[in-house]
Amino acid sequence: DADVTQTPRNRITKTGKRIMLECSQTKGHDRMYWYRQDPGLGLRLIYYSFDVKDINKGEISDGYSVSRQAQAKFSLSLESAIPNQTALYFCATSDLGGRGLGELFFGEGSRLTVL
Amino acid sequence: QQQVKQSPQSLIVQKGGISIINCAYENTAFDYFPWYQQFPGKGPALLIAIRPDVSEKKEGRFTISFNKSAKQFSLHIMDSQPGDSATYFCAAANSGGSNYKLTFGKGTLLTVNP
Repeated sequence: DADVTQTPRNRITKTGKRIMLECSQTKGHDRMYWYRQDPGLGLRLIYYSFDVKDINKGEISDGYSVSRQAQAKFSLSLESAIPNQTALYFCATSDLGGRGLGELFFGEGSRLTVL
Repeated sequence: QQQVKQSPQSLIVQKGGISIINCAYENTAFDYFPWYQQFPGKGPALLIAIRPDVSEKKEGRFTISFNKSAKQFSLHIMDSQPGDSATYFCAAANSGGSNYKLTFGKGTLLTVNP
């Protein structure tokens, strides 16, 4: 089983619908992140959480909200989806240790299409 | 404001050639510079990383060169192989800050032709 699991992997929805993307991890990391990937724009940080009681906005948080239900679970919500939120979304976890000083471990992504 | 600028956006190299991807940063507080590799349909994964106390780090065919004064760092892939075809992201962070998070470049799509 993957260490960082994202559900759903693919979702097609309509403008105005509420969408939730879920992330769960078995790595035991405190830190979790949501990134958005668009062609030519790279990876942009939406929200991040350093522990269950800590939620922080990233560079593109408008139109999104998050919930850290437990150390292992971090959900991203689009309250009213719009077409320009069509993208590939990644959840990631990190610890301050590891070979990379805070190496990020990514899930396999959730592809969201908003019609 | 783009804090990490990556070039080129795409790169085509013949098998056995050298692939070079460049990044430049603006924030002098950055002190940790990783490269991530992403294969189609997968999430990015850490490839190699460097701290500014060294000018070069090598792991197998992959080398990071770092120029602190120019605020630039680059990834060199020696003897490039078709299996290296992927998207590569440079990133930077201030590891000493309590608000530690990575800022990524826009990515380079590398294609290695057989």
